[in-house]
Amino acid sequence: NAGVTQTPKFRVLKTGQSMTLLCAQDMNHEYMYWYRQDPGMGLRLIHYSVGEGTTAKGEVPDGYNVSRLKKQNFLLGLESAAPSQTSVYFCASSYSSSKGEQFFGPGTRLTVL
Amino acid sequence: QKEVEQDPGPLSVPEGAIVSLNCTYSNSAFQYFMWYRQYSRKGPELLMYTYSSGNKEDGRFTAQVDKSSKYISLFIRDSQPSDSATYLCAMDTNAGGTSYGKLTFGQGTILTVHP
Repeated sequence: NAGVTQTPKFRVLKTGQSMTLLCAQDMNHEYMYWYRQDPGMGLRLIHYSVGEGTTAKGEVPDGYNVSRLKKQNFLLGLESAAPSQTSVYFCASSYSSSKGEQFFGPGTRLTVL
Repeated sequence: QKEVEQDPGPLSVPEGAIVSLNCTYSNSAFQYFMWYRQYSRKGPELLMYTYSSGNKEDGRFTAQVDKSSKYISLFIRDSQPSDSATYLCAMDTNAGGTSYGKLTFGQGTILTVHP
C-alpha cells in the first residue's frame, strides 16, 4: 500500500516550458486535491476533483489545468511555466465521507527559471 | 485579511516544555478543525481533529476550539525533539458534504524543540 505518490520529486523548468505532475493513490479515494505551498503562505488549493472525470477550481487555479481520467490518478499541468509558479506542489486524497483527513503525497519541488 | 491566521514563528523551546500553537479565523461557518504536522521535506499528516467547540486529548497533544472567539489551539506537553516540525491548522465548513472536503489552511508554525 503506497498511499499517495507523486512524480517527479524535483524539476527545473525554463519560463514558457510545459510539464505535467502526476499524482496516484491506491486507497480508492473519491476526492483528490492539488495544493501549492509557498513560504509564509501555508497550503493553497489549486484544483480538486470529487470523482473520476470531474474537476473544479480551487483558490489559485490560474496557469494550471488538471485532469482525472482514472479514479486513482490526478494530473496537474502547467502549459507555460512562469517564475511565480516556483513552489512545492502537494497532492492529497480523501474519502468523500472523511472528516477532514486528507492523505498527502511527498511533494514535487518545482523551480521555474 | 486571510480567513485563517496563524503565527508562523519560528518557535524554539527546550525539551520538556509545554508548547502552545494558535490560529484565529474569520469564517463563522467553519465547523471542523484540524491540526496537521509536517516534517521537513515531507507531506503534511493529520495530527488532531475536532468538531465544533471543546477539547480533545490524544497522548501529549490537546486540541481546543473556542468558536465564540474564533480561536483554536494545540498544546503539546513534555515536548520532544521529535516534535520539531511545521504545524498547520486547517478548517472545513462541512466535512465531506457540499464543501467536498476542501480545507482552508493557516500559514503554519515552525517549531523546534532542542535537547
